[in-house]
Amino acid sequence: EDKVVQSPLSLVVHEGDTVTLNCSYEVTNFRSLLWYKQEKKAPTFLFMLTSSGIEKKSGRLSSILDKKELSSILNITATQTGDSAIYLCAASNFGNEKLTFGTGTRLTIIP
Amino acid sequence: NAGVTQTPKFQVLKTGQSMTLQCAQDMNHEYMSWYRQDPGMGLRLIHYSVGAGITDQGEVPNGYNVSRSTTEDFPLRLLSAAPSQTSVYFCASSDDRVNEKLFFGSGTQLSVL
Repeated sequence: EDKVVQSPLSLVVHEGDTVTLNCSYEVTNFRSLLWYKQEKKAPTFLFMLTSSGIEKKSGRLSSILDKKELSSILNITATQTGDSAIYLCAASNFGNEKLTFGTGTRLTIIP
Repeated sequence: NAGVTQTPKFQVLKTGQSMTLQCAQDMNHEYMSWYRQDPGMGLRLIHYSVGAGITDQGEVPNGYNVSRSTTEDFPLRLLSAAPSQTSVYFCASSDDRVNEKLFFGSGTQLSVL
């Protein structure tokens, strides 16, 4: 059975800190690793990673995939209160139109 | 831009009642899906559709029905509500065949008493 595990489950930091969120996966015929941000309601897409070692970046957020270690990290630098959210990791595989989601990391930024 | 629209936002049902959660998207996406989100469980796929007239089961389909008569609409029907179906339900759509970059609706919080 495909599985995605995220750590930590929750994290509380002060504004301005840098955080690293972790995601590991066990997926048959792995295709890609995705990150979503869920604030009040609907998750919104952040990154999709398919190649190992290539960093994707958007402003203060960046992510990288390690296919050898079957894992990915999401980094957020100079955190702001608007970064408070649940961050979801998901994995897709070839031949299957479905995503397997992790349970998420709840990030809280204290002003 | 409407995107993916879900109704209702909140619903309380009694055990045994039936209801339909509505989902519509205006992006002409072929792929649509329904997820439920429970504490400690992550998002779990209920049913999905790769186009009008085509539906398939996801990870947790029991107790739910779907149909896809148009590209825009993908309603989820609860046949006989049970307390175990208390959850937050999300509809999502995607414009890629491998269904990776999902656009989510704002969710429906359902309580079954």
